[in-house]
Amino acid sequence: NAGVTQTPKFRILKIGQSMTLQCAQDMNHNYMYWYRQDPGMGLKLIYYSVGAGITDKGEVPNGYNVSRSTTEDFPLRLELAAPSQTSVYFCASSRRLAGDYEQYFGPGTRLTVT
Amino acid sequence: AQKVTQAQTEISVVEKEDVTLDCVYETRDTTYYLFWYKQPPSGELVFLIRRNSFDEQNEISGRYSWNFQKSTSSFNFTITASQVVDSAVYFCALTTQGGSEKLVFGKGTKLTVNP
Repeated sequence: NAGVTQTPKFRILKIGQSMTLQCAQDMNHNYMYWYRQDPGMGLKLIYYSVGAGITDKGEVPNGYNVSRSTTEDFPLRLELAAPSQTSVYFCASSRRLAGDYEQYFGPGTRLTVT
Repeated sequence: AQKVTQAQTEISVVEKEDVTLDCVYETRDTTYYLFWYKQPPSGELVFLIRRNSFDEQNEISGRYSWNFQKSTSSFNFTITASQVVDSAVYFCALTTQGGSEKLVFGKGTKLTVNP
């Protein structure tokens, strides 16, 4: 299994541009998440999904959109990029079995908006 | 609301010293899960341990040990005989049963182990 994969690894955007961060998992996990990590900070939840077709906002959703058309994929869309969105973005997934609540993280995407 | 506090922002030790990273959590739920993740300089998040709220047994894994105390809402992490490779940012996190199992992270403790 590849686990959780994210593309791209690095990206530089100009203010006002848009882009989609890709996330895929091959573990048949129902739950998927997007977090952002600002320098010197912990991770903050942007959006999450409990299954295909179901998404919900996390702590810091403004400026982002998500979709979940399949179990495997959970792309994060940035519209009108702003410098405040400069961050490292992590995608994660988990299955919801009794006693098993570990979240598996992707390698991250480092995004700079200038 | 859930909250995780890691009061130690940075810790610096000399190799072979023991070091304890503190984690204090807040939740009103009776069923919850606590985690520790390691983030080495390469940036990925490495899962270390998961502990549920009904299991207060301490756990030891090699040089790592965890002390979970519900009475003080703490889940501390000790590295014995630290090594340079232990240098990383360590995050404590909390999730509750039911709903989305969203993880709430502390701000992390940066550990530097000097040779």
